[in-house]
Amino acid sequence: SQTIHQWPATLVQPVGSPLSLECTVEGTSNPNLYWYRQAAGRGLQLLFYSVGIGQISSEVPQNLSASRPQDRQFILSSKKLLLSDSGFYLCAWSPGTSKSGKLFFGSGTQLSVL
Amino acid sequence: QQPVQSPQAVILREGEDAVINCSSSKALYSVHWYRQKHGEAPVFLMILLKGGEQKGHEKISASFNEKKQQSSLYLTASQLSYSGTYFCGTDLNQGGKLIFGQGTELSVKP
Repeated sequence: SQTIHQWPATLVQPVGSPLSLECTVEGTSNPNLYWYRQAAGRGLQLLFYSVGIGQISSEVPQNLSASRPQDRQFILSSKKLLLSDSGFYLCAWSPGTSKSGKLFFGSGTQLSVL
Repeated sequence: QQPVQSPQAVILREGEDAVINCSSSKALYSVHWYRQKHGEAPVFLMILLKGGEQKGHEKISASFNEKKQQSSLYLTASQLSYSGTYFCGTDLNQGGKLIFGQGTELSVKP
């Protein structure tokens, strides 16, 4: 069966520090991968979308970047965090063979930038 | 491009019904519905594809009117476990990229 792992669960970082959040998927090949952010009490904002290794679509101009170094690994990074980067970050995957497959979300990372 | 959900929040007593609406300004290929409990990841409820179908999941069902670019989620005889925030996600072009609405917070009271 397929599983998605996302870590860490919580993170407190000072402003200006770097960030690296990692997400891995098991049990499937060539998944579509996503990073979403959810500000407190708000909706899900799509940040990045990837259909394959090295193929990243950025949805919102911002202080963040994403990389997909392996088929089932998706990394969210920042060189210098801003206060506005605080939020709940969710990694998700969907079957790459399905044109509109359902999303399976990771358990999320609560990021607080102080 | 973000779909608009209404209402933003609703409070129900156990056993009451509710409808959550999702509207898009663009033609849709599919609409997804998810439920999120506080502090947890969203959980998939159902997908509705282009074709105006209606789907059901226990006492939760949904419809998709592609001409009106709208979808509605129907919760009947609500249970305490239905509490949470409901999100619709829209896929415009069969690309699998979901854009979510701002969410509808549903509270079911005893």
